[in-house]
Amino acid sequence: DAGVIQSPRHEVTEMGQEVTLRCKPISGHDYLFWYRQTMMRGLELLIYFNNNVPIDDSGMPEDRFSAKMPNASFSTLKIQPSEPRDSAVYFCASSLKNALNEQFFGPGTRLTVL
Amino acid sequence: GENVEQHPSTLSVQEGDSAVIKCTYSDSASNYFPWYKQELGKGPQLIIDIRSNVGEKKDQRIAVTLNKTAKHFSLHITETQPEDSAVYFCAAKQGFKTIFGAGTRLFVKA
Repeated sequence: DAGVIQSPRHEVTEMGQEVTLRCKPISGHDYLFWYRQTMMRGLELLIYFNNNVPIDDSGMPEDRFSAKMPNASFSTLKIQPSEPRDSAVYFCASSLKNALNEQFFGPGTRLTVL
Repeated sequence: GENVEQHPSTLSVQEGDSAVIKCTYSDSASNYFPWYKQELGKGPQLIIDIRSNVGEKKDQRIAVTLNKTAKHFSLHITETQPEDSAVYFCAAKQGFKTIFGAGTRLFVKA
């Protein structure tokens, strides 16, 4: 398996623009997680899905952020409109259904909002 | 909610020496404690984990200890090598929610 796949790897956009980050989890994994990593706040859980259904979105910072999982092999994290403070590395991770199972992280998307 | 504190933020050791990273957590309901290694430009990768019913676990040069009473857990790396240089994160997990420590940047000098 290729592991968790994220695209794009780097995104540079201007303030006010819409940004869409994409993730393909490992095949067969039931859970998908979106994290944001910054120097100031470290690794923060934004939202996670179980069987394509959002379970906990309490980490989503504002209404400008939204996430979807239309099927078991694809998820998106959208920011509209983007702001400079959204600049961060966004990671997607997936795991099997047992809570004690390892989360496998993707390589991340480095987002820069000018 | 859960809060995980991690120390030190930076650690520099000579190749061959041991490195110890310490974490504390606040919520006694946390029952799973993974450790991740993050190399530059990559996502975190699990290196070892420990469950709340175990006090110690070892995997080659890496060991973790857990003190549930004190809510402390630690990562020990022995015989460090330059390729151990990375950022290490501890984490505490309740159900599917993982709370990460702030990370320790480990430098291993050859």
